[in-house]
Amino acid sequence: SQTIHQWPATLVQPVGSPLSLECTVEGTSNPNLYWYRQAAGRGLQLLFYSIGIDQISSEVPQNLSASRPQDRQFILSSKKLLLSDSGFYLCAWSVRWSGVQNTEAFFGQGTRLTVV
Amino acid sequence: RKEVEQDPGPFNVPEGATVAFNCTYSNSASQSFFWYRQDCRKEPKLLMSVYSSGNEDGRFTAQLNRASQYISLLIRDSKLSDSATYLCVVSFMDTGRRALTFGSGTRLQVQP
Repeated sequence: SQTIHQWPATLVQPVGSPLSLECTVEGTSNPNLYWYRQAAGRGLQLLFYSIGIDQISSEVPQNLSASRPQDRQFILSSKKLLLSDSGFYLCAWSVRWSGVQNTEAFFGQGTRLTVV
Repeated sequence: RKEVEQDPGPFNVPEGATVAFNCTYSNSASQSFFWYRQDCRKEPKLLMSVYSSGNEDGRFTAQLNRASQYISLLIRDSKLSDSATYLCVVSFMDTGRRALTFGSGTRLQVQP
Protein backbone atom coordinates (compact mmCIF):
# COMPACT_ATOMS: atom_id res chain seq x y z
CA SER A 1 0.00 0.00 0.00
CA GLN A 2 1.04 3.58 -0.48
CA THR A 3 2.31 5.70 2.40
CA ILE A 4 3.51 9.25 2.68
CA HIS A 5 6.00 10.45 5.25
CA GLN A 6 6.49 14.05 6.23
CA TRP A 7 8.82 15.46 8.85
CA PRO A 8 9.32 17.05 11.24
CA ALA A 9 5.89 17.14 12.87
CA THR A 10 6.53 20.45 14.62
CA LEU A 11 9.15 23.10 14.15
CA VAL A 12 9.92 26.42 15.81
CA GLN A 13 12.30 28.60 13.86
CA PRO A 14 13.52 32.19 14.30
CA VAL A 15 12.83 34.84 11.71
CA GLY A 16 15.54 34.89 9.07
CA SER A 17 16.54 31.27 9.52
CA PRO A 18 16.42 28.72 6.67
CA LEU A 19 13.81 26.01 6.30
CA SER A 20 13.80 22.54 4.83
CA LEU A 21 10.78 20.25 5.04
CA GLU A 22 10.94 16.84 3.46
CA CYS A 23 8.27 14.51 2.18
CA THR A 24 8.63 11.02 0.73
CA VAL A 25 6.11 8.65 -0.78
CA GLU A 26 6.33 4.86 -0.78
CA GLY A 27 4.46 2.22 -2.71
CA THR A 28 3.80 4.15 -5.90
CA SER A 29 5.70 5.47 -8.89
CA ASN A 30 5.44 8.75 -10.78
CA PRO A 31 3.07 10.40 -8.32
CA ASN A 32 1.91 13.98 -8.52
CA LEU A 33 3.23 15.74 -5.43
CA TYR A 34 1.92 18.83 -3.69
CA TRP A 35 2.75 21.27 -0.93
CA TYR A 36 -0.16 23.03 0.74
CA ARG A 37 -0.20 25.50 3.61
CA GLN A 38 -3.00 26.05 6.06
CA ALA A 39 -2.94 29.17 8.21
CA ALA A 40 -4.71 29.03 11.58
CA GLY A 41 -8.46 28.80 11.03
CA ARG A 42 -8.09 29.02 7.28
CA GLY A 43 -8.39 26.76 4.26
CA LEU A 44 -5.64 24.97 2.39
CA GLN A 45 -3.60 27.07 0.01
CA LEU A 46 -1.73 25.27 -2.78
CA LEU A 47 1.92 26.35 -2.79
CA PHE A 48 3.60 24.02 -5.29
CA TYR A 49 2.82 20.97 -7.32
CA SER A 50 5.04 18.64 -9.30
CA ILE A 51 4.26 16.16 -12.05
CA GLY A 52 7.80 14.78 -12.25
CA ILE A 53 11.44 15.09 -11.24
CA ASP A 54 12.58 18.72 -11.43
CA GLN A 55 9.14 19.74 -12.74
CA ILE A 56 7.74 22.22 -10.22
CA SER A 57 4.88 24.65 -10.63
CA SER A 58 4.49 27.50 -8.20
CA GLU A 59 1.01 28.72 -7.41
CA VAL A 60 1.73 31.89 -5.46
CA PRO A 61 4.70 34.23 -5.26
CA GLN A 62 6.29 33.83 -1.90
CA ASN A 63 9.30 33.32 0.23
CA LEU A 64 9.38 29.58 -0.40
CA SER A 65 10.74 27.21 -3.03
CA ALA A 66 10.28 23.53 -3.77
CA SER A 67 12.43 20.84 -5.31
CA ARG A 68 11.91 17.26 -6.42
CA PRO A 69 15.32 15.63 -6.70
CA GLN A 70 13.88 12.11 -6.85
CA ASP A 71 10.62 10.67 -8.11
CA ARG A 72 9.14 10.18 -4.65
CA GLN A 73 10.82 13.00 -2.73
CA PHE A 74 9.50 16.54 -2.43
CA ILE A 75 11.27 19.26 -0.46
CA LEU A 76 9.99 22.66 0.66
CA SER A 77 12.62 25.26 1.43
CA SER A 78 13.20 28.83 2.40
CA LYS A 79 16.42 30.80 2.67
CA LYS A 80 15.03 33.26 5.23
CA LEU A 81 11.81 32.67 7.10
CA LEU A 82 9.28 35.43 7.74
CA LEU A 83 6.76 35.60 10.57
CA SER A 84 4.03 35.19 7.95
CA ASP A 85 5.45 31.79 6.98
CA SER A 86 3.99 30.26 10.16
CA GLY A 87 1.35 27.66 9.46
CA PHE A 88 0.52 24.02 8.95
CA TYR A 89 2.40 22.64 5.94
CA LEU A 90 1.00 19.60 4.26
CA CYS A 91 2.56 17.39 1.64
CA ALA A 92 0.25 15.30 -0.51
CA TRP A 93 0.41 12.88 -3.41
CA SER A 94 -2.00 11.67 -6.05
CA VAL A 95 -1.92 9.26 -8.91
CA ARG A 96 -0.30 10.77 -12.00
CA TRP A 97 -2.87 12.90 -13.80
CA SER A 98 -4.32 10.80 -16.57
CA GLY A 99 -5.41 13.72 -18.68
CA VAL A 100 -9.04 13.03 -17.88
CA GLN A 101 -9.49 14.25 -14.36
CA ASN A 102 -7.58 14.69 -11.17
CA THR A 103 -7.85 11.94 -8.63
CA GLU A 104 -8.03 12.35 -4.89
CA ALA A 105 -4.95 13.44 -2.97
CA PHE A 106 -3.53 11.76 0.12
CA PHE A 107 -1.86 13.83 2.77
CA GLY A 108 1.09 13.42 5.08
CA GLN A 109 0.64 14.20 8.74
CA GLY A 110 1.83 17.77 8.29
CA THR A 111 4.43 20.03 9.82
CA ARG A 112 3.31 22.73 12.20
CA LEU A 113 5.77 25.59 11.71
CA THR A 114 5.99 28.52 14.09
CA VAL A 115 8.29 31.36 13.13
CA VAL A 116 9.28 33.45 16.13
CA ARG B 1 -14.96 35.54 -5.55
CA LYS B 2 -13.42 32.44 -4.02
CA GLU B 3 -13.08 29.45 -6.29
CA VAL B 4 -14.69 27.18 -3.72
CA GLU B 5 -16.98 28.62 -1.06
CA GLN B 6 -18.33 27.01 2.08
CA ASP B 7 -20.27 28.23 5.08
CA PRO B 8 -17.66 28.10 7.86
CA GLY B 9 -20.24 27.22 10.52
CA PRO B 10 -19.99 25.99 13.16
CA PHE B 11 -23.00 23.72 12.80
CA ASN B 12 -23.96 22.60 16.29
CA VAL B 13 -26.30 19.61 16.14
CA PRO B 14 -27.45 16.98 18.64
CA GLU B 15 -26.55 13.34 18.27
CA GLY B 16 -28.86 11.58 15.86
CA ALA B 17 -29.63 14.71 13.86
CA THR B 18 -29.38 15.03 10.10
CA VAL B 19 -27.17 17.84 8.86
CA ALA B 20 -26.37 19.08 5.37
CA PHE B 21 -23.54 21.18 4.03
CA ASN B 22 -23.43 22.96 0.71
CA CYS B 23 -20.46 24.14 -1.26
CA THR B 24 -20.41 26.32 -4.39
CA TYR B 25 -17.66 26.47 -6.98
CA SER B 26 -16.95 29.18 -9.48
CA ASN B 27 -15.55 27.34 -12.49
CA SER B 28 -17.99 25.49 -14.70
CA ALA B 29 -15.12 23.49 -16.19
CA SER B 30 -14.63 21.67 -12.91
CA GLN B 31 -14.29 17.94 -13.35
CA SER B 32 -13.69 16.20 -10.04
CA PHE B 33 -15.34 16.73 -6.70
CA PHE B 34 -14.59 15.38 -3.25
CA TRP B 35 -15.42 15.81 0.40
CA TYR B 36 -12.56 15.61 2.88
CA ARG B 37 -12.72 15.48 6.65
CA GLN B 38 -10.18 17.26 8.83
CA ASP B 39 -9.92 16.70 12.56
CA CYS B 40 -8.43 19.41 14.74
CA ARG B 41 -4.69 19.84 14.08
CA LYS B 42 -4.62 16.80 11.76
CA GLU B 43 -4.23 16.29 8.05
CA PRO B 44 -7.30 16.17 5.79
CA LYS B 45 -8.54 12.72 4.89
CA LEU B 46 -10.73 11.73 1.98
CA LEU B 47 -14.31 11.15 3.05
CA MET B 48 -15.84 10.47 -0.32
CA SER B 49 -15.76 11.33 -3.98
CA VAL B 50 -18.81 13.02 -5.49
CA TYR B 51 -20.23 11.58 -8.68
CA SER B 52 -22.63 13.18 -11.11
CA SER B 53 -25.37 10.74 -10.23
CA GLY B 54 -24.91 11.26 -6.49
CA ASN B 55 -23.51 8.64 -4.20
CA GLU B 56 -23.97 7.26 -0.73
CA ASP B 57 -21.60 5.71 1.77
CA GLY B 58 -23.36 4.55 4.89
CA ARG B 59 -24.74 7.61 6.68
CA PHE B 60 -23.13 9.99 4.19
CA THR B 61 -24.70 11.12 0.92
CA ALA B 62 -23.05 13.42 -1.60
CA GLN B 63 -24.82 15.22 -4.43
CA LEU B 64 -23.56 17.25 -7.37
CA ASN B 65 -25.57 19.93 -9.18
CA ARG B 66 -23.56 21.05 -12.20
CA ALA B 67 -26.19 23.50 -13.43
CA SER B 68 -26.08 25.46 -10.18
CA GLN B 69 -22.44 24.65 -9.52
CA TYR B 70 -22.74 23.26 -6.04
CA ILE B 71 -22.13 20.05 -4.20
CA SER B 72 -23.67 18.91 -0.97
CA LEU B 73 -22.95 16.50 1.85
CA LEU B 74 -25.71 15.01 3.97
CA ILE B 75 -24.92 13.26 7.23
CA ARG B 76 -27.69 11.20 8.79
CA ASP B 77 -27.87 10.00 12.38
CA SER B 78 -24.95 12.19 13.47
CA LYS B 79 -22.43 10.69 15.87
CA LEU B 80 -20.15 12.47 18.30
CA SER B 81 -17.27 11.16 16.21
CA ASP B 82 -18.55 13.10 13.19
CA SER B 83 -17.38 16.32 14.83
CA ALA B 84 -14.75 17.72 12.49
CA THR B 85 -14.26 20.23 9.69
CA TYR B 86 -15.57 19.13 6.31
CA LEU B 87 -13.68 20.40 3.28
CA CYS B 88 -15.23 20.73 -0.15
CA VAL B 89 -12.69 19.98 -2.87
CA VAL B 90 -12.84 20.69 -6.58
CA SER B 91 -10.52 20.06 -9.48
CA PHE B 92 -10.39 22.79 -12.11
CA MET B 93 -9.18 21.45 -15.42
CA ASP B 94 -9.19 24.46 -17.73
CA THR B 95 -6.53 26.32 -15.78
CA GLY B 96 -4.02 23.55 -16.40
CA ARG B 97 -3.50 23.35 -12.69
CA ARG B 98 -3.08 19.71 -11.87
CA ALA B 99 -4.09 19.96 -8.27
CA LEU B 100 -7.16 20.09 -6.11
CA THR B 101 -8.65 23.33 -4.82
CA PHE B 102 -9.95 23.22 -1.27
CA GLY B 103 -12.70 25.22 0.35
CA SER B 104 -12.06 26.71 3.78
CA GLY B 105 -14.21 24.08 5.42
CA THR B 106 -17.41 23.81 7.43
CA ARG B 107 -17.05 22.97 11.07
CA LEU B 108 -19.47 20.46 12.56
CA GLN B 109 -19.91 19.97 16.29
CA VAL B 110 -22.15 17.08 17.31
CA GLN B 111 -23.33 17.42 20.89
CA PRO B 112 -24.52 14.71 23.29
